[in-house]
Amino acid sequence: VQLVESGGDLVQPGRSLRLSCTASGFTFRDYSMSWFRQAPGKGLEGVGFIRREAYGGTTEYAASVKGRFTISRDDSKSIAYLQMNSLKVEDTAVYYCTRGGYSYSPWGQGTLVTVSS
Amino acid sequence: QSALTQPPSASGSPGQSVTISCTGTSSDVGGYNYVSWYQQHPGKAPKLMIYEVTKRPSGVPDRFSGSKSDNTASLTVSGLQAEDEADYYCSSYAGSNNWGVFGGGTKLTVL
Repeated sequence: VQLVESGGDLVQPGRSLRLSCTASGFTFRDYSMSWFRQAPGKGLEGVGFIRREAYGGTTEYAASVKGRFTISRDDSKSIAYLQMNSLKVEDTAVYYCTRGGYSYSPWGQGTLVTVSS
Repeated sequence: QSALTQPPSASGSPGQSVTISCTGTSSDVGGYNYVSWYQQHPGKAPKLMIYEVTKRPSGVPDRFSGSKSDNTASLTVSGLQAEDEADYYCSSYAGSNNWGVFGGGTKLTVL
């Protein structure tokens, strides 16, 4: 079972970025998928999650990103996406994807997003 | 400000036991048996250590145990080892519209 994030980059405030989380070793469609982030020297913060299609594939988001970030999934490719729009300096963090909706395992290695002018 | 309250630090000598608390409310920790604990070493991804309050995933040593009383959950590490030095985070289910409730983390130091 493995999760690999990709897409992290240095971007200017106000720009957009899409992260991908590629899963392997398990039946992707059977699981909710979650995104978390960790700012430098800080604790873990939930970003959002997407339920499995059998539960409607609906999403939930943290208040800090609601309206700016969108989580989606492509079960045919075993990939979860995090579309981040209107990025702010305070969105700078390592972004992790993980399997599950209320306990989370495993976690990917993380991808660094830096928002700076 | 995190929704769940953890002490910022804890410590113990090798071989001793240490307990880390995680205090929430009746809407999260006290309302559901879905408390989980995560270990994170510097520069590494978090690792699930305890789920559903007391259950250990395969591969996690039985030195790690979880419990809950009212609105407070606890992680106990018995027989402390040097490799247990890490940050520990608790999390709780809090209803479908209040996702991602985490504690602020506790830095465990093995003296």
